[in-house]
Amino acid sequence: ELKVEQNPLFLSMQEKKNYTIYCNYSTTSDRLYWYRQDPGKSLESLFVLLSNGAVKQEGRLMASLDTKARLSTLHITAAVHDLSATYFCAVESQGNLIFGKGTKLSVKP
Amino acid sequence: GAGVSQTPSNKVTEKGKYVELRCDPISGHTALYWYRQSLGQGPEFLIYFQGTGAADDSGLPNDRFFAVRPEGSVSTLKIQRTERGDSAVYLCASSLAGAGNEQFFGPGTRLTVL
Repeated sequence: ELKVEQNPLFLSMQEKKNYTIYCNYSTTSDRLYWYRQDPGKSLESLFVLLSNGAVKQEGRLMASLDTKARLSTLHITAAVHDLSATYFCAVESQGNLIFGKGTKLSVKP
Repeated sequence: GAGVSQTPSNKVTEKGKYVELRCDPISGHTALYWYRQSLGQGPEFLIYFQGTGAADDSGLPNDRFFAVRPEGSVSTLKIQRTERGDSAVYLCASSLAGAGNEQFFGPGTRLTVL
């Protein structure tokens, strides 16, 4: 059974500092997704990582995938308040997505 | 173009009642997925349709849950004899032709069973 673990589950960030959140998964998969969810809202797709060594960047967020280590990281550069949200990683398994529990980020001035 | 839509946005019902939740996928998306998200958790897979047929229903928790997609577009998730533990946000997603294609999520239906 595929399991996806994120850590930390909660992260209080200071503005302008850098942080990394981690997503580990238990069995082989070549597709990993990162989503953002604001309170009371649905999931917004951030990144789709399709191969080992894939790196994608959008603004202050950068995601990478190491399929050999079964690890993806989401790096936040110079945090700003509007990044406050819950971030989920999800790994594809037989066409379905298996989600982690999410990492709740809050950015404090 | 229009994204995935779900109705109703909120549904409050009493224990033991029957509910239907509707999902309208992105036009042209042949794959449709239902997930359930409990408070403070990530979404959990329920069922996946490819066209009109359920390709994988292994996530449905028990036989009170059923979903249909009769014309390969709109899908309805049906819950019989609702229980308080069914309270959650039910999310629908759609994608092009199944595995490997990005799933786009709807706004969800918040179900509360009193």
